[in-house]
Amino acid sequence: DVKVTQSSRYLVKRTGEKVFLECVQDMDHENMFWYRQDPGLGLRLIYFSYDVKMKEKGDIPEGYSVSREKKERFSLILESASTNQTSMYLCASSLTSSRPKGAFFGQGTRLTVV
Amino acid sequence: ELKVEQNPLFLSMQEGKNYTIYCNYSTTSDRLYWYRQDPGKSLESLFVLLSNGAVKQEGRLMASLDTKARLSTLHITAAVHDLSATYFCAVDKEGATNKLIFGTGTLLAVQP
Repeated sequence: DVKVTQSSRYLVKRTGEKVFLECVQDMDHENMFWYRQDPGLGLRLIYFSYDVKMKEKGDIPEGYSVSREKKERFSLILESASTNQTSMYLCASSLTSSRPKGAFFGQGTRLTVV
Repeated sequence: ELKVEQNPLFLSMQEGKNYTIYCNYSTTSDRLYWYRQDPGKSLESLFVLLSNGAVKQEGRLMASLDTKARLSTLHITAAVHDLSATYFCAVDKEGATNKLIFGTGTLLAVQP
């Protein structure tokens, strides 16, 4: 089975801190994604990566950056955390060649910025 | 800009009843996905619909796709409590590799 693992289930950070959310997948997937999930807004795409060192902005990239130095790892960085970034963050991965199967998701990281 | 809309946002239904969740999207796409999310858990893939007229069924859930109308439906037959969850539809963003855009989700609560 595909496994997508996020480094933390819960995080509490202070306003202005630099925050790193880590995601690792074990199935050699080319594509990796970061979404945030907020009540009533569904999942919104922050960034995605289709190859090592390649990235593309999603719909809400402001305040975030990403890093993909290795194929299995995709990091989301909050440069200076703010309270409006309190949310559930979901990482996902997929294979380009088996696109019809859609994306596989990690368990989520609930981030609270105080 | 691709938009995906689901309705209703919240659905409370009694066990044994039937109901349908609707998913509309704003641009051409012939790949539509349905996911389920249980409280506190991540998303689980339910169905992948690849072409116009596609219909897939598993248990009490049946999903269909009409690409001309840009509409997918998730039909629930004789609901049971175990189906209580949030259901999301998602479509590929045109021209992008598996860049999924999600709807707002439908919170389904099945009452005994």
